Amino acid sequence: GEDVEQSLFLSVREGDSSVINCTYTDSSSTYLYWYKQEPGAGLQLLTYIFSNMDMKQDQRLTVLLNKKDKHLSLRIADTQTGDSAIYFCAESLMGSQGNLIFGKGTKLSVKP
Amino acid sequence: KAGVTQTPRYLIKTRGQQVTLSCSPISGHRSVSWYQQTPGQGLQFLFEYFSETQRNKGNFPGRFSGRQFSNSRSEMNVSTLELGDSALYLCASSIQGDYGYTFGSGTRLTVV
Repeated sequence: GEDVEQSLFLSVREGDSSVINCTYTDSSSTYLYWYKQEPGAGLQLLTYIFSNMDMKQDQRLTVLLNKKDKHLSLRIADTQTGDSAIYFCAESLMGSQGNLIFGKGTKLSVKP
Repeated sequence: KAGVTQTPRYLIKTRGQQVTLSCSPISGHRSVSWYQQTPGQGLQFLFEYFSETQRNKGNFPGRFSGRQFSNSRSEMNVSTLELGDSALYLCASSIQGDYGYTFGSGTRLTVV
C-alpha cells in the first residue's frame, strides 16, 4: 500500500545545514513535495520535484530524489531559527487526482 | 495573487450538530481538495473536486460531504458531529489537480 515515512525530529545549530529524509513505497508517484507548517498555520509549499528528476535547487533548498531506493531528501543550507517548523514530505500518485499522501512530518528545531 | 482562503478560521460546535466550511481557491485553479489533520492520524485526504464534480474520495464516512460551485469555490459539510471530528481542516487548490497544490490556512474545528 501507499506509505510515506519520515523521522519525527531533527535538531541543528543555526548556520548549519539541515537534511530531512523521507521514504515512500509507491512506484507510481508522479510528483513529490515538501511542505512546511508553522504552529497554528496551514501548509506552505516549499518545493516539488517531478518523479523523473534527480535534483532540484531553489535558493537555500536542495531536493534530491533517488527513485531506485524511493528516497527523497530536503537540504536546507544555512539554517535559520525561522526555519523551525514541521516539514512534511508528500507524494501524488498517477491517476489519483488531488490526493497527496503525507508523511507524519519532521519537527525541525534550530538552536541559536 | 491572492492565496487559498478558508473561512471561518475557528469553529466550536456541539456533538450532533452539523458544520459547513468554505474554501476559495486561487484564481484560475479548478481543483479543490480537502484534508483533515489530527495529531494522531496526521493529514488524511477527504475528497477532491474539479469542475463541480467529485473525482476522488478518501476513506471517511458519509457524514463528510462536499460540493464545488461554478466559480470553483468549494464547501465541505460534516453532519452529526462527533468529538473525534475535532481537527484542522485544510483545503488545497491546483490548476488541474495533478500537481502544485497550494494550501489555505485551515479551519480549526472543535467539537464539544
